[in-house]
Amino acid sequence: GAGVSQSPSNKVTEKGKDVELRCDPISGHTALYWYRQSLGQGLEFLIYFQGNSAPDKSGLPSDRFSAERTGGSVSTLTIQRTQQEDSAVYLCASSYSRVANQPQHFGDGTRLSIL
Amino acid sequence: GDSVTQMEGPVTLSEEAFLTINCTYTATGYPSLFWYVQYPGEGLQLLLKATKADDKGSNKGFEATYRKETTSFHLEKGSVQVSDSAVYFCALLQMNRDDKIIFGKGTRLHILP
Repeated sequence: GAGVSQSPSNKVTEKGKDVELRCDPISGHTALYWYRQSLGQGLEFLIYFQGNSAPDKSGLPSDRFSAERTGGSVSTLTIQRTQQEDSAVYLCASSYSRVANQPQHFGDGTRLSIL
Repeated sequence: GDSVTQMEGPVTLSEEAFLTINCTYTATGYPSLFWYVQYPGEGLQLLLKATKADDKGSNKGFEATYRKETTSFHLEKGSVQVSDSAVYFCALLQMNRDDKIIFGKGTRLHILP
C-alpha cells in the first residue's frame, strides 16, 4: 500500500529564497510529524500535528520555519529566507494515532541544499 | 531534558559476527523505546520497540531489552548479514509530552562479506 510520500525528493535553492516541502501521510493517519536530519546532528524533531492542529511549535528552529496541515491530511513545511544551515534532509512521518504502540511511518525525505 | 546516547560508528563487522550497538537514555518516568533502521537510499523504518521495563523487542533476528536499572536499550543480533548494513537509530518517546520522538545520532553499520 501507499506509504508516506514527500515531495520534492531533492531541492537545491539559493540562500534567501523561500522553499515549501510537502508531505502526504498514510491515509487515515491522524498524527503527522516533521523531523530534520542534519549531518552530525542526528534527527531533530520539528513539529507535530494531531489532525490540523499543532499543539507544540517550540521545536521549529526559528521564526523562518512554519508548517500547516489542511483537511487532516497533507502538510507543508515552509522555510522563508533560507540560510545555508537549513541544508538537511527533512523527514515526515505519520501514525494512526497518538499512542506509543502505533509506530511512526517515515517518508523518504526531502534533501534540501542551500547554495 | 530527555536524551538518547548511542555508540558512534561506523561499526564494521564480518558476516556472521555478533552485533551489539549500545544505547542509553536519560528520561523521567517510563518512556517507550525504539530502534529505527535506515537502509541506504530508503526512509526510516521501525525495527523494534519496547514500551515498559524488562520488555524485549525483537524483529528480523535483532533484539533489545528495556533495562530501567541501567537506562539502556542495547541492540543485538547473533549473526549479522551483509543486508543488515544500514544506519541504526535508538529513540525514546514520552507519551503525553507532545509525543515527539527523541533520537540518538545514529550508528552506521557496515557488514563485510
